[in-house]
Parts: sequence; structure tokens; C-alpha cells
Amino acid sequence: QQQVRQSPQSLTVWEGETAILNCSYEDSTFNYFPWYQQFPGEGPALLISIRSVSDKKEDGRFTIFFNKREKKLSLHITDSQPGDSATYFCAASYSAGNKLTFGIGTRVLVRP
Amino acid sequence: GGIITQTPKFLIGQEGQKLTLKCQQNFNHDTMYWYRQDSGKGLRLIYYSITENDLQKGDLSEGYDASREKKSSFSLTVTSAQKNEMAVFLCASSILDRQDTQYFGPGTRLLVL
Repeated sequence: QQQVRQSPQSLTVWEGETAILNCSYEDSTFNYFPWYQQFPGEGPALLISIRSVSDKKEDGRFTIFFNKREKKLSLHITDSQPGDSATYFCAASYSAGNKLTFGIGTRVLVRP
Repeated sequence: GGIITQTPKFLIGQEGQKLTLKCQQNFNHDTMYWYRQDSGKGLRLIYYSITENDLQKGDLSEGYDASREKKSSFSLTVTSAQKNEMAVFLCASSILDRQDTQYFGPGTRLLVL
């Protein structure tokens, strides 16, 4: 059973629109949720993260919204740019000293 | 800053062949990881090594061996390549008490004929 679920698997938006990527998890003891961004031909890189004590984390055009009760979170990319076209992975961890569990990823394409 | 180097970048093998992938990091990180990335399946952990003399199985260890030669290097061996197998193998590293923040290499792309 997948511990971390992501939807949709792929998403196409126009430049300037907001892309919304969804993530949900099974284990309520997960308390740290990073999002990784991966460009074709490269390894994933940490984009933004949130801890379960917060319900929102913003970094420029990227915002995580977190709902602990529903065990759901989402990544919003506002004013999407063609350079944001990448695969985005949601991940979860029990604590800083524990390894990550990754979702299957959402492939985002931003059309100019 | 630092960098993770994976060699080779591309690997073409034959069915049944034993194949070795190498990873080097200069972050001076204690912990290193090997993941397999398949389309539609995300990143699955194969092996990880918390410190230099440690080796732990991940969720996908069957069919693989790993070796932590020294703090900076971590190798993965596909013990018997499967025909038509195609995947990307990603190496990552982190500091010991921050496994939640990992730095990834560019990957080795494997194709088995």
C-alpha cells in the first residue's frame, strides 16, 4: 500500500496560471513533508518543505498548504513559468533522523 | 556546497549480467542512499548506509547488493540484469541526523538488452 499518494500524475497549465499538485499520506506520525523538483536528465532537488506544526509555507511562487486532520497537502505554483516544467515529488518523514518515503510524482508542463 | 557524481551516466547491459554503479559525494555526508526511479512508480529505496560501516536494506533490495567503500563512496550492484529492464538509479546523501533532507546525483540510466 502506498504510504504517500500524489495526484494528478501529469498536469498541463498555461504560463501565468496556478498549478495545483496534491499529496496525501497514510501514516499520521509523518511530521515532515518536503517537495522535490526534478528536471529531465537531473536528480531531484529540494524545493520547499513543511513541518506538521504549520498549515502553510510560502517560498516565492511556491506555496504548500497542509491539512493535518485530513492528512493532505498541496503544492501551489502561482504565475507558472515554462521553466517550472518538471516532475514534482511529495515526500514524508517521521522525523529529521528518519529516511524519506516518496510519492510517484506529478509531471508538470507549463505551456508558453 | 558539494556535488554527487554518479558513474557511468548510461549503462547498457545484457540479460543475466552483473552490473556495478558507482557514486561519490564530497559533501562529507555520513549517510548515502540508492534509489530506483521507474516511470509511474516514483523513487523506491534500494539500499542505504547510515555511516561508513553500515548497510541497510530498503524496500527494493532483492536483486541488488551494495557496498560502502569509504565515507565518500557508495556502490550498487545489479546481481543479474533482467531483460528489457529500463530504469534510472539515483544516489543521494544527507547528514546523519537530517535524513529528511537529501541531495541527489544526476542518475545512471540503465538499459538491459
